[in-house]
Amino acid sequence: AQSVTQPDIHITVSEGASLELRCNYSYGATPYLFWYVQSPGQGLQLLLKYFSGDTLVQGIKGFEAEFKRSQSSFNLRKPSVHWSDAAEYFCAVGAGSGYSTLTFGKGTMLLVSP
Amino acid sequence: DAGITQSPRHKVTETGTPVTLRCHQTENHRYMYWYRQDPGHGLRLIHYSYGVKDTDKGEVSDGYSVSRSKTEDFLLTLESATSSQTSVYFCAITGAGQGHNYGYTFGSGTRLTVV
Repeated sequence: AQSVTQPDIHITVSEGASLELRCNYSYGATPYLFWYVQSPGQGLQLLLKYFSGDTLVQGIKGFEAEFKRSQSSFNLRKPSVHWSDAAEYFCAVGAGSGYSTLTFGKGTMLLVSP
Repeated sequence: DAGITQSPRHKVTETGTPVTLRCHQTENHRYMYWYRQDPGHGLRLIHYSYGVKDTDKGEVSDGYSVSRSKTEDFLLTLESATSSQTSVYFCAITGAGQGHNYGYTFGSGTRLTVV
């Protein structure tokens, strides 16, 4: 069975500082990996996704993520955080063929301090 | 997202009553999903559909049923609501096909409170 672990429940980052959110997955084949962001009271918005090819993927809002197969990780990064980035972030894993259900991590809440 | 709407947005109901949540899409996507979101649990899959009248259970399906009589609508029913079903419910859709998984588009959610 597939699973996702986001080790950090909360992270606080100063505005302008760099950010890295961790995601580790368990999956028996080549995974499809996703990062979603959820602002308070809102639905989830797709930030980026990894299917294959270049292991560094670019997303919206200046985010990027790097797939490391040897570490079963797909960490999300941003070089300079803005106050508007404060939200909850979810990593998800799924299969690539046919339809697929996504398994989500429990989320990391990002707080941005002035 | 404009292509997927959930109704109602908020609902308060009494223990033991049946409740139906609706997910409506205008994208003509084949696949639809119901998740629930609870603090400390992230999102957990309740049921999903891979076509009209084709549905399957997710990891937390007990106490829930679904129906999909047409492509655009996916209904989630709580047969007899319990306080443990107080949650935020999200519908999602995807146009995934063979060899592809494009990820989901989510609705805005339904906040359900069972009292």
